[in-house]
Amino acid sequence: NAGVTQTPKFQVLKTGQSMTLQCAQDMNHNSMYWYRQDPGMGLRLIYYSASEGTTDKGEVPNGYNVSRLNKREFSLRLESAAPSQTSVYFCATKRERGTDTQYFGPGTRLTVL
Amino acid sequence: DAKTTQPPSMDCAEGRAANLPCNHSTISGNEYVYWYRQIHSQGPQYIIHGLKNNETNEMASLIITEDRKSSTLILPHATLRDTAVYYCIVRVNTGGFKTIFGAGTRLFVKA
Repeated sequence: NAGVTQTPKFQVLKTGQSMTLQCAQDMNHNSMYWYRQDPGMGLRLIYYSASEGTTDKGEVPNGYNVSRLNKREFSLRLESAAPSQTSVYFCATKRERGTDTQYFGPGTRLTVL
Repeated sequence: DAKTTQPPSMDCAEGRAANLPCNHSTISGNEYVYWYRQIHSQGPQYIIHGLKNNETNEMASLIITEDRKSSTLILPHATLRDTAVYYCIVRVNTGGFKTIFGAGTRLFVKA
């Protein structure tokens, strides 16, 4: 039982390059989230998915796209990376609608040069 | 969701109780108080939550004042591994799916 896994752990991109951050969960949770955390800051919600096939914008969605193709996986795509997107990205799941208990992955550390 | 206010940092001696305060004076009647923590470079970890009664689990205790405008997270015997940023979040359980993590309190447990 791995919980929430994220790949890759580290990534360096050049400005304008694209990449997809992967998140997978084996907890059978419906809700999944993508957050970013800049140095010394709290977490900010990028996108979330209440269930398979649905997604919605969070606080800072600009420059990102997401895909929730099945219950297990929720991916985050940067089409044209910018230095402002240098951050640590966390994926999370939530047990059920009636609780805010979230379970987080280990994070992906992204640097955009 | 109600706004929360936490001190930016606190110190605690190893083996002593760590008491982390949180103010949430605009909390609504159906909003819960949640606590998470984030150990350096790791994803946040759920600790405990409550509505109006005090709660205890294997990690911590949560004390909520009678008027629910503030709460305290208590780590009864802090260890060096409890050094982390602690987030207090107030939100309804059956509301939307967005959770806002603020700056939190950075707890330093010292030997």
